[in-house]
Amino acid sequence: AQSVTQLDSQVPVFEEAPVELRCNYSSSVSVYLFWYVQYPNQGLQLLLKYLSGSTLVKGINGFEAEFNKSQTSFHLRKPSVHISDTAEYFCAAPRPGGEKSNYQLIWGAGTKLIIKP
Amino acid sequence: KAGVTQTPRYLIKTRGQQVTLSCSPISGHRSVSWYQQTPGQGLQFLFEYFSETQRNKGNFPGRFSGRQFSNSRSEMNVSTLELGDSALYLCASSFPGGTNTGELFFGEGSRLTVL
Repeated sequence: AQSVTQLDSQVPVFEEAPVELRCNYSSSVSVYLFWYVQYPNQGLQLLLKYLSGSTLVKGINGFEAEFNKSQTSFHLRKPSVHISDTAEYFCAAPRPGGEKSNYQLIWGAGTKLIIKP
Repeated sequence: KAGVTQTPRYLIKTRGQQVTLSCSPISGHRSVSWYQQTPGQGLQFLFEYFSETQRNKGNFPGRFSGRQFSNSRSEMNVSTLELGDSALYLCASSFPGGTNTGELFFGEGSRLTVL
C-alpha cells in the first residue's frame, strides 16, 4: 500500500533541546520526500525536500532531514528548538507516477511539536 | 510577490446551505489544488485545476465542485452543507514544470463552520 507514516501525533520537548520527528514511507511511493510545516492558524509551507543527491537535506529555520533508503525513513531533526517552532509538521511523498504532477502527494497524519518552556 | 490569497477566512453556515470559497494563486502559477483539513481525517485532496481544466479529483461526493478561471483564480463550492463539512479548506498553487518539486504554496485557508 502507498503510505506515509508519521509515528508520533505529538512530540513535547523542552525549549533549546533537540528534537526528531519521525516519518516512514512505503517502498511503493516515489522517493521524493517533503516536510511541510503549519504554524497555528496558517496554511502549510515547505520546510525541506529530498529529490536526489545528498541524503542529508537542510531546510529553513535550522531544520534538517536524513533520507535513509534501507530504513525507508525521512526523519526531521533540529538540534535546538525554540518556542517559535511550535507547529504541526507533515511528511509527504508523491504517488507513483505522480512525479510530474504536484497534486499527487500522499500526506502523513502530522506531528504536533509542543515546546515546553 | 503576493502569496496565495483565500477568501473568506472564516465563515459560518447552517446545514443545507451552500458555500463558495475563492482562491487567488501566486502570479504565474497555473495549477491550483484544494484540500480539506480536519482533526479526524487530516489533509485530504479535493481536486486540482490547471488551465481551467480539472485534472484530478479526490474521493469526495458530488456536492463538492470547483472551477478555475482564465486568470488562474479558482473557486470551490459545497452544496447542501452537512455538519461534517466543517473544516479548514486550503488552496495551494504551484508552477508545474517537468519535474515534481513537490513545492505547493498554500493560502491561510478558509475555516468553515456548519451549524
